[in-house]
Amino acid sequence: EVQLVESGGGLIHPGGSLRLSCAASGFTFSNYAMSWVRQAPGEGLQWVSHISATGGSTYYADSVKGRFTISRDSSKSTLFLQMDSLRAEDTALYYCAKTPDYEALSVFDIWGLGTMVTVSS
Amino acid sequence: DIQMTQSPSSLSASVGDRVTITCQASQDISDYLNWYQKKPGKPPKLLIYDASTLATGVPSRFSGSGSGTDFTFTISSLQPEDIATYYCQQYDSLPTFGQGTRLEI
Repeated sequence: EVQLVESGGGLIHPGGSLRLSCAASGFTFSNYAMSWVRQAPGEGLQWVSHISATGGSTYYADSVKGRFTISRDSSKSTLFLQMDSLRAEDTALYYCAKTPDYEALSVFDIWGLGTMVTVSS
Repeated sequence: DIQMTQSPSSLSASVGDRVTITCQASQDISDYLNWYQKKPGKPPKLLIYDASTLATGVPSRFSGSGSGTDFTFTISSLQPEDIATYYCQQYDSLPTFGQGTRLEI
């Protein structure tokens, strides 16, 4: 069964850092590009960041550029999101999402259940 | 950024009704448009990709059409389990989602 399981969320003070993880199983992780998508409470979906299958290409939403870093460890079939200089507006449920492509940012065909990040003093 | 405008923002319908949601892009995105279903407490589920292709396992009552800037998502006969919020998403450039359409019975 194809599965994505996020972890690492929690309550963090403004300015703090957090590292999210997404463990993948049921498919060949190294063959697919991956993204992070978030949903703030009561709001819609917002794409956050994307990484190609090799990790050689990364992309970020303007709202997180320079503060978040996406990476992956194919030996562990795990996707990461390092979140620094966190702000209250980063409070959201963060989803890990798989694309059916090696490189392209296109469609999100498999999603995890999400991990909640709350930034508050 | 390409802006995606969905309408309506909410919709009330009855079981068996034909339901239509529209999504308009701020610029030409060809057919680089996907539709997702989001239920509370669950992750989004891909329904339609490339504007009109039904994702694997998705019932045929769901359909999508359009290209360029104007797109339509249709449920031909609304079922109780279709109560959810629906989002369009473009990928002609960095992905952006519509604001969502909340569907109620």
